[in-house]
Amino acid sequence: EDQVTQSPEALRLQEGESSSLNCSYTVSGLRGLFWYRQDPGKGPEFLFTLYSAGEEKEKERLKATLTKKESFLHITAPKPEDSATYLCVSGGGADGLTFGKGTHLIIQP
Amino acid sequence: DVKVTQSSRYLVKRTGEKVFLECVQDMDHENMFWYRQDPGLGLRLIYFSYDVKMKEKGDIPEGYSVSREKKERFSLILESASTNQTSMYLCASRQGASGNTIYFGEGSWLTVV
Repeated sequence: EDQVTQSPEALRLQEGESSSLNCSYTVSGLRGLFWYRQDPGKGPEFLFTLYSAGEEKEKERLKATLTKKESFLHITAPKPEDSATYLCVSGGGADGLTFGKGTHLIIQP
Repeated sequence: DVKVTQSSRYLVKRTGEKVFLECVQDMDHENMFWYRQDPGLGLRLIYFSYDVKMKEKGDIPEGYSVSREKKERFSLILESASTNQTSMYLCASRQGASGNTIYFGEGSWLTVV
């Protein structure tokens, strides 16, 4: 069974304190690894897609990386507006997707 | 930019009512999806559609039905709403295969009283 596990479940950082969010996946025949940002009460907003081990994508203070078993979302010098839940999704499952439960990130000023 | 629009953001319905949630996408995507999102359970797939008039059951289809009469529109129907269907409902669309990016709407908060 395809699985995506995100850790930690919640993370509280000080403004400017860099860190990484982890996404471990066991998917037969990965067809893309997706990261989304979700603000409270809103739908997930697309951030990145990664397709092969070694691939990296960047956007502002965020960088996503991919290995054969994990993906990391690195956040550098975060600001309070980066506070959100970050979802990791892999290509797999009946609809072609397997969702993680998300990491709830809080950046304190 | 891809836009997935859910017509109702907040709804309050009574137990036993029939509820329609509408979703429209503007990118001519083949695939459309309905999920519900609950705290601690993440996103769960209710139904999806690969083409007009086509539908497939997801992981939790009980109590729901769907309609896709036009390519851009995918409707979720709660035949007789119950309190355990109180949730956030998310519509999404995607072009083609599972390796392509899926885009979500803003969500519809449904409360059944």
